[in-house]
Amino acid sequence: SSELTQDPAVSVALGQTVRITCQGDSLRSYYASWYQQKPGQAPVLVIYGKNNRPSGIPDRFSGSSSGNTASLTITGAQAEDEADYYCNSRDSSGKRMVFGGGTKLTVL
Amino acid sequence: QVQLVQSGAEVKKPGASVKVSCKASGYTFTSYYMHWVRQAPGQGLEWMGIINPSGGSTSYAQKLQGRVTMTRDTSTSTVYMELSSLRSEDTAVYYCAREGVGGDAFDIWGQGTMVTVSS
Repeated sequence: SSELTQDPAVSVALGQTVRITCQGDSLRSYYASWYQQKPGQAPVLVIYGKNNRPSGIPDRFSGSSSGNTASLTITGAQAEDEADYYCNSRDSSGKRMVFGGGTKLTVL
Repeated sequence: QVQLVQSGAEVKKPGASVKVSCKASGYTFTSYYMHWVRQAPGQGLEWMGIINPSGGSTSYAQKLQGRVTMTRDTSTSTVYMELSSLRSEDTAVYYCAREGVGGDAFDIWGQGTMVTVSS
């Protein structure tokens, strides 16, 4: 079982806002990073650190954190945002990395 | 451009070993840690371990300790991941991923290498 917990599936209406969450004790000490993965493709980093977007990632993606929960918010979801999303951070020991189980986002 | 290019697909029998390569280009190889991540068919991402290309130090996921070895060749800017005593559960796509400047985030990924373990 993963030390980071994500909801398996979330849906959002086109153009609306959706929040994908990631829970774990280590998130009280470490930031999460977020990855988007579409079928048959390698993951793509969308958010890292406090709330940083790599070059080329639309500004509708944002990140936040409170207590043991990190969140990825998509404001104005687009059809192309339909994908699996994974959080990643350090484990409770701080020595290794761990992924959440992933959230499948459906855009209706 | 910055990229990671991995070796091709492999088919192995149970009990065998596999060695996957990941060649980096477009940046200073020894300045960024490299991680390995795998994904079984229809499953999520699993972190396998990290190697420091500068000194070669490594840290592995607990469940893979004793079966996984990560090495690097600075002359060719290539990292390697070898997994031994393969079993069917090791069937997966294996990715190398660079840890970016911000730390604790994988900013560049290889294209993935499919490893199939089957008798």
